[in-house]
Parts: sequence; C-alpha cells; structure tokens
Amino acid sequence: NAGVMQNPRHLVRRRGQEARLRCSPMKGHSHVYWYRQLPEEGLKFMVYLQKENIIDESGMPKERFSAEFPKEGPSILRIQQVVRGDSAAYFCASSIPGFQETQYFGPGTRLLVL
Amino acid sequence: DQQVKQNSPSLSVQEGRISILNCDYTNSMFDYFLWYKKYPAEGPTFLISISSIKDKNEDGRFTVFLNKSAKHLSLHIVPSQPGDSAVYFCAASASRLTFGEGTQLTVNP
Repeated sequence: NAGVMQNPRHLVRRRGQEARLRCSPMKGHSHVYWYRQLPEEGLKFMVYLQKENIIDESGMPKERFSAEFPKEGPSILRIQQVVRGDSAAYFCASSIPGFQETQYFGPGTRLLVL
Repeated sequence: DQQVKQNSPSLSVQEGRISILNCDYTNSMFDYFLWYKKYPAEGPTFLISISSIKDKNEDGRFTVFLNKSAKHLSLHIVPSQPGDSAVYFCAASASRLTFGEGTQLTVNP
C-alpha cells in the first residue's frame, strides 16, 4: 500500500540548470498538488492537476516553472534556469476526486541550488 | 497576505500534560480545516480535520475546536507524549489548502 512517492529525495543543481521533480500519487488518486516550503516558512500552494489537465496554477511563479500530469506516468514539476532562491523543499500531495480537502503528502524533494 | 496564521513558532510541554496549538484565519470562505503533523525530512501527515458546520471533532488523544465567530481553531493533544514532538501545521480549505507557518511542539519526558 504505497503512499505518495517523490523522487529524487535530494537534488543539487547549479544556477541556470534545469530541475525535474517527479511525483507518483497514491493508488486510486487522480488529483495531484504541488507545494513549496521555503526555510522557516509554511507550505505554499503552487499548482493543482488532474490527469492531462491543470486545474489551478495560481500559486506557480509566472516564469521558469511548469507542471504536468500526463495520462501515463508521474506528475512532473519542472524548474528551468534555476536560481538560488528556488532552493526549498517541494512536496507533492494527492487526493481522490471529491475529497480534495484531505490530501496525502509525499516525503518531498529537497532542492539545493549552488 | 497571510490568511492562516500560527502565532506561536514553538511550544514546550511536559509528558502527560495537555498541548494546545492555536491557529487563526482571516478568510471567511474557508469551509474545512485540517491539522497536519510533520517530522524532519518527511512530508506532512494528516492528523485530524473539521468542517465549518461543526465546532468540535475528536479522535483519540486529539481534539480540534473551531470558533467561527473568532476565526480561530485549536488542536488539543492530551495526554501529550514524547513521540508527539513535531511541527504542526494548520490548514484551511476554500478551493485549495492554505497552510499556516507551523508550530514546533516539544514534549519533554
């Protein structure tokens, strides 16, 4: 009974490189959410996706960040041309349709930009 | 604009006593509230929730209270145990979850 899986758990990138973070939701969950936690802060909503559809991306920075949840495979959060300020923990959560209030979180990916 | 606020960054209690974690919110559109617990290097774990139509929900040692007029909710843990030591986040939902900054709870043996 696997929970939400995220990989990699840790990712180190140099400024200007691309970061790709993957999230596999819990079995039976078709809704995925991405959050970012900066040091000493709470989790901030970034984007809400269903399969092949972005439902709400109001928390995503306008540039360099994109997310997808294809029909097959994990959800991907992509950060292009990373900067030091992108260093954070990125958490993915999933839920079943109609129960989006109760989200189950993955262990997170800790991104460090050098 | 911090719509969900946890004013105490940390709380320390003795084992066996009650822990009370507080959370305030500003958005009257929130209709569902949750508490999550987070250990270092792990993701948040759902703990307990409450709908806006209720004022109390209890699950074992954990009770959440909601005061809608004051836009305030609290989580009571009794009796507190050392394993409860973690960061506790409150979250509120309208169409998406908005989290507070978290409170580090330390339960001393």
